[in-house]
Amino acid sequence: DVKVTQSSRYLVKRTGEKVFLECVQDMDHENMFWYRQDPGLGLRLIYFSYDVKMKEKGDIPEGYSVSREKKERFSLILESASTNQTSMYLCASSFPQGKEKLFFGSGTQLSVL
Amino acid sequence: AQKVTQAQTEISVVEKEDVTLDCVYETRDTTYYLFWYKQPPSGELVFLIRRNSFDEQNEISGRYSWNFQKSTSSFNFTITASQVVDSAVYFCAFLFNAGNMLTFGGGTRLMVKP
Repeated sequence: DVKVTQSSRYLVKRTGEKVFLECVQDMDHENMFWYRQDPGLGLRLIYFSYDVKMKEKGDIPEGYSVSREKKERFSLILESASTNQTSMYLCASSFPQGKEKLFFGSGTQLSVL
Repeated sequence: AQKVTQAQTEISVVEKEDVTLDCVYETRDTTYYLFWYKQPPSGELVFLIRRNSFDEQNEISGRYSWNFQKSTSSFNFTITASQVVDSAVYFCAFLFNAGNMLTFGGGTRLMVKP
């Protein structure tokens, strides 16, 4: 069964902390994505990676960075967490052709206090 | 820029009712793809369907059906004889042909009551 695994389901951090959200996929997908989900706003793309060490900014990259050192792992980094980054974070992966469907993880609900 | 609008933020129905979720998109592209995803309470979005812009044929899969109308830029989703297990948030999404990044609508929360 194909799988995208996010390391934490719930996370509570303090303002100013550095936060790492980890995502691992076992499908040998080239593409990996980080989305943020907020009520009424749907999913908004933070960053996208199409290969190891390659990344592209999405719609809302400010305050975030990413790392992809291995094909199966894509990390989202909040350099200095702020309260407005409290949200549900969803990781996804897909094969390289853009029209391919995305496979999603279960999400990480991050609360920044 | 593309835009996807799901005007219904929440819908509540009683089991066995039919329900239609609306999706309207804006684009100047002629070649694109439209998707529907379901997000159950577990949180993981699940792919339901993909259509390309040249295929306006309606599709039916069990109790689910999709109506794609290019003339009105709509891609609506109907659940027939709804069940409690259909309760979820449903997202419509758009992808232009040369792209890799989906644009999602705001989602519609469907609650099916027994």
